Amino acid sequence: EIVLTQSPDTLFLSPGERATLSCRASQTVSDNCLAWYQQKPGQAPRLLMYGATRGATGIPDRFSGSGSGTDFTLTITRLEPEDFAVYYCQQYGSSPLTFGGGTKVEIK
Amino acid sequence: QVQLVQSGAEVKKPGASVKVTCKASGYTFTSYGITWVRQAPGQGLEWMGWISGYNGKTNFAQKFQGRVSVTTETSTNTAYMELRSLRSDDTAVYYCARQTIPRDYADYWGQGTLVTVSS
Repeated sequence: EIVLTQSPDTLFLSPGERATLSCRASQTVSDNCLAWYQQKPGQAPRLLMYGATRGATGIPDRFSGSGSGTDFTLTITRLEPEDFAVYYCQQYGSSPLTFGGGTKVEIK
Repeated sequence: QVQLVQSGAEVKKPGASVKVTCKASGYTFTSYGITWVRQAPGQGLEWMGWISGYNGKTNFAQKFQGRVSVTTETSTNTAYMELRSLRSDDTAVYYCARQTIPRDYADYWGQGTLVTVSS
């Protein structure tokens, strides 16, 4: 199975700053089938990005995804207060589908 | 709007089974599948399996094969996930989510169902 490693574990930033989250796969993600989800405490995950670079419906354009192959990045250009949460990457190109361990974006 | 509403929290003893319900609305149930993901307390997300809303075809993570059953009832737009032989490490929040095909992303999620396994 494809193992996804996210870094850093925790990112301490202030509102208005730029966040860069990394997701590295143990092998090539087929067809860049890579999604990003946001999860807040006590809530279900929310789809942010799919196909590595495509924004899901209703996602603000401050969120962007990039990368291909084994290295992927989620960027939040200017953090809003509601963006402080845990972010997970997921590959869905190969079965079993797998998730990274998550990156927590915390207020500095 | 698309909604997935799950059944309420459960407390089960080790060795028992649990069945979680996921009722879908706001879209054509048979045009999509349902995927099941769980999250142990304070931990990350773990994919369990997927079922087609069209023909009931399934796809499971090997870890859960033989211990999990997923079914659908198209007359009520409902999906079910049953996990058997429960252990303490099955304690988790179980989510259903809409997912078109076995290898796809999940675009709408249920609110989650906490299953606690304790003697």
